[in-house]
Amino acid sequence: DAGITQSPRHKVTETGTPVTLRCHQTENHRYMYWYRQDPGHGLRLIHYSYGVKDTDKGEVSDGYSVSRSKTEDFLLTLESATSSQTSVYFCAISRGAAYEQYFGPGTRLTVT
Amino acid sequence: TQLLEQSPQFLSIQEGENLTVYCNSSSVFSSLQWYRQEPGEGPVLLVTVVTGGEVKKLKRLTFQFGDARKDSSLHITAAQPGDTGLYLCAGAYTNAGKSTFGDGTTLTVKP
Repeated sequence: DAGITQSPRHKVTETGTPVTLRCHQTENHRYMYWYRQDPGHGLRLIHYSYGVKDTDKGEVSDGYSVSRSKTEDFLLTLESATSSQTSVYFCAISRGAAYEQYFGPGTRLTVT
Repeated sequence: TQLLEQSPQFLSIQEGENLTVYCNSSSVFSSLQWYRQEPGEGPVLLVTVVTGGEVKKLKRLTFQFGDARKDSSLHITAAQPGDTGLYLCAGAYTNAGKSTFGDGTTLTVKP
């Protein structure tokens, strides 16, 4: 157990509304990640962080922003949600030189 | 362009059968991980391989990293219904700070 929690676990929102997902870790890991998972696409990296206020884009970052003001919290924001952002979102931390990932339980987001 | 190709995409077998799934790339990775994901949960790390030609065993699961560190395989002996899930491979480069995931193999083991 890597001590990762995500909130909310489920959310339904309307197109055009802002949405923020939270990832919280209890083990003080430097690296944190946000992925989305859709049928047929596996896990795709949205953004990641390598320290407080240090973030970088992943392969599907358009329409998403992130913030990390504390080591333990990594926030993912959809400024104006679209139906194409309906997905399951996973947060992860990494341990070790090989960047092994440890995942949270996921947030299922539906944009109507 | 998918950096990591996993095959087959879907696999359905009977309990007790053996199977192998593959993870292939044109890139050389410094390490490769395998994960298993059950419905409604996050992926769980099974193993990390870092040396070309390395073989690791985890009970009935055998993982192999290719000599050139571009590909890997997962072999399951005498599959059980509890092995059902999505198997994902992920490759990482030294100091990259992140991993790249394949699209996964969905395995169903029927009793």
